[in-house]
Amino acid sequence: AQKITQTQPGMFVQEKEAVTLDCTYDTSDQSYGLFWYKQPSSGEMIFLIYQGSYDEQNATEGRYSLNFQKARKSANLVISASQLGDSAMYFCAMSQIKAAGNKLTFGGGTRVLVKP
Amino acid sequence: DGGITQSPKYLFRKEGQNVTLSCEQNLNHDAMYWYRQDPGQGLRLIYYSQIVNDFQKGDIAEGYSVSREKKESFPLTVTSAQKNPTAFYLCASSGDRGRETQYFGPGTRLLVL
Repeated sequence: AQKITQTQPGMFVQEKEAVTLDCTYDTSDQSYGLFWYKQPSSGEMIFLIYQGSYDEQNATEGRYSLNFQKARKSANLVISASQLGDSAMYFCAMSQIKAAGNKLTFGGGTRVLVKP
Repeated sequence: DGGITQSPKYLFRKEGQNVTLSCEQNLNHDAMYWYRQDPGQGLRLIYYSQIVNDFQKGDIAEGYSVSREKKESFPLTVTSAQKNPTAFYLCASSGDRGRETQYFGPGTRLLVL
């Protein structure tokens, strides 16, 4: 069974600074995908970034980058130059690529509060 | 604009009542999903459908039912058998072959009266 662990329940970060959100995963599959989603107080889940298990380079999307360390089974999200609008819950998730249904397994989330 | 819509935004259920949550997508995605989120927690999969007229149970399907008669629509019924239905319900769809990124609707908050 797949499992995602986010050990940081909440974090404060100063505006314009970088923040790293931790995510570790457990799976016996060789082929999988890792995702990060942002959930503002309004509730919708916003897709941020994706990393495939066979991707050799770390994924980047604007101010978001994913620090993928396969041997350690970690997929940390780095947000650079934090903005007030980055205050939200952040969820790490994992899927089994090409498996039936492509089900996502989610971690418990990390709440980020950006201070001005 | 393409996207996923969910209605209603808030829904109130009386004891013993079945209620249906709507989910519609115009992204031409094949797969659709229903998740439940309890306060302060991550999402858990209720049901998913990879193709019209076919769906599978997720991790917490008891007390819920779905149908997939059209590609665009995947309604979720919360039955009276679901004893603790108060939660935030999120619908998602995916169709990007390869990474299969799931895109979410705005959600429905269900409260029990």
